[in-house]
Amino acid sequence: AQSVTQPDIHITVSEGASLELRCNYSYGATPYLFWYVQSPGQGLQLLLKYFSGDTLVQGIKGFEAEFKRSQSSFNLRKPSVHWSDAAEYFCAVGAAAGNKLTFGGGTRVLVKP
Amino acid sequence: DAGITQSPRYKITETGRQVTLMCHQTWSHSYMFWYRQDLGHGLRLIYYSAAADITDKGEVPDGYVVSRSKTENFPLTLESATRSQTSVYFCASKRPRPGELFFGEGSRLTVL
Repeated sequence: AQSVTQPDIHITVSEGASLELRCNYSYGATPYLFWYVQSPGQGLQLLLKYFSGDTLVQGIKGFEAEFKRSQSSFNLRKPSVHWSDAAEYFCAVGAAAGNKLTFGGGTRVLVKP
Repeated sequence: DAGITQSPRYKITETGRQVTLMCHQTWSHSYMFWYRQDLGHGLRLIYYSAAADITDKGEVPDGYVVSRSKTENFPLTLESATRSQTSVYFCASKRPRPGELFFGEGSRLTVL
């Protein structure tokens, strides 16, 4: 069965500092990987996705993620955080041949002025 | 406007009552999903549907019923609500593989 672990439940970062959110997945075949962001009271919005090819993926809002097969990781990064990045972030994995996504528990990001 | 809409956005009910959460999408996506979001658990899949009249259980289906008579609608019913079903419920849709999910804004349900 596929699973996703986000080890950090909460992260606090200063505005302008860099941010890295960790995601580890367990899946037996080639995974499809996603990062979603959820602002308070809102639904989830796709930040970026990885299906194949270049392991460094660029997304919206200045985010990027790197797929590392050997470490079963898909960490999300942003070089300089803005106050509007305060939100909850979810990593998800799906099967190449399937349609369901399995989500991690989420990481809540707080941005200090 | 095109998109996926959920109703009601907020609902308070009592234990034992029947509750139906509605989900409507305008993209004609074949796949639709219901997730619940709880602190510490992230999003867990309740039910999903591959097309009209085709539904299947997800990770946590007990206590829920779904139907899909039309492609655009995917209602979720709690036949006899329990306090443990207090949660935020998200509906989502997608095209056939591969691809991302598109989410509604959620329905916050409180069962007293």
